[in-house]
Amino acid sequence: DGGITQSPKYLFRKEGQNVTLSCEQNLNHDAMYWYRQDPGQGLRLIYYSQIVNDFQKGDIAEGYSVSREKKESFPLTVTSAQKNPTAFYLCASSVNTEAFFGQGTRLTVV
Amino acid sequence: AQSVTQLDSQVPVFEEAPVELRCNYSSSVSVYLFWYVQYPNQGLQLLLKYLSGSTLVKGINGFEAEFNKSQTSFHLRKPSVHISDTAEYFCAVTRRRGGSNYKLTFGKGTLLTVNP
Repeated sequence: DGGITQSPKYLFRKEGQNVTLSCEQNLNHDAMYWYRQDPGQGLRLIYYSQIVNDFQKGDIAEGYSVSREKKESFPLTVTSAQKNPTAFYLCASSVNTEAFFGQGTRLTVV
Repeated sequence: AQSVTQLDSQVPVFEEAPVELRCNYSSSVSVYLFWYVQYPNQGLQLLLKYLSGSTLVKGINGFEAEFNKSQTSFHLRKPSVHISDTAEYFCAVTRRRGGSNYKLTFGKGTLLTVNP
């Protein structure tokens, strides 16, 4: 089945540690996105990429980094510089005016 | 820049009652409009979208929405809800553009709770 796979579903990390969230798609989409979701805040764009080896900051990029070495993969690293990383993270890809979302990764920093 | 306001953070209704979830947007350019649904601990699923043409858009699961340009609104409606419609609903907007990049701006969401 075509789709977007995010892993892991749940992630626990200690404060001060970097952590990388995986996002893989087999939809052959050029554009990919990372959103952060907090209760009552909707979704906010962290980073997006239109093509391989290119990406742009979204509205809340501070404390995050990404790479796009392959069309299928768009991993997100939450660095120790992110002051409040506990959240639900959603990856998406898009084509022809429709965005497709993964099932999300819930990150909890303890 | 675009912005989206969902006027109700929570909407409780009884099963088989009609429901309307309200969404207003702000943009200086032409936009596309979307409604997404999210079940607990899941990703988002597209309910419907307005691109152009008829202002009444029908989506999945019996939902429909009406685009009103003069009021900059895109309210979501369903004539009779089911328990299974309990979820969070997000309105989103993106500017019209070419290519495959559609950065979405989301509202804060409306939690629809359908009670028996």
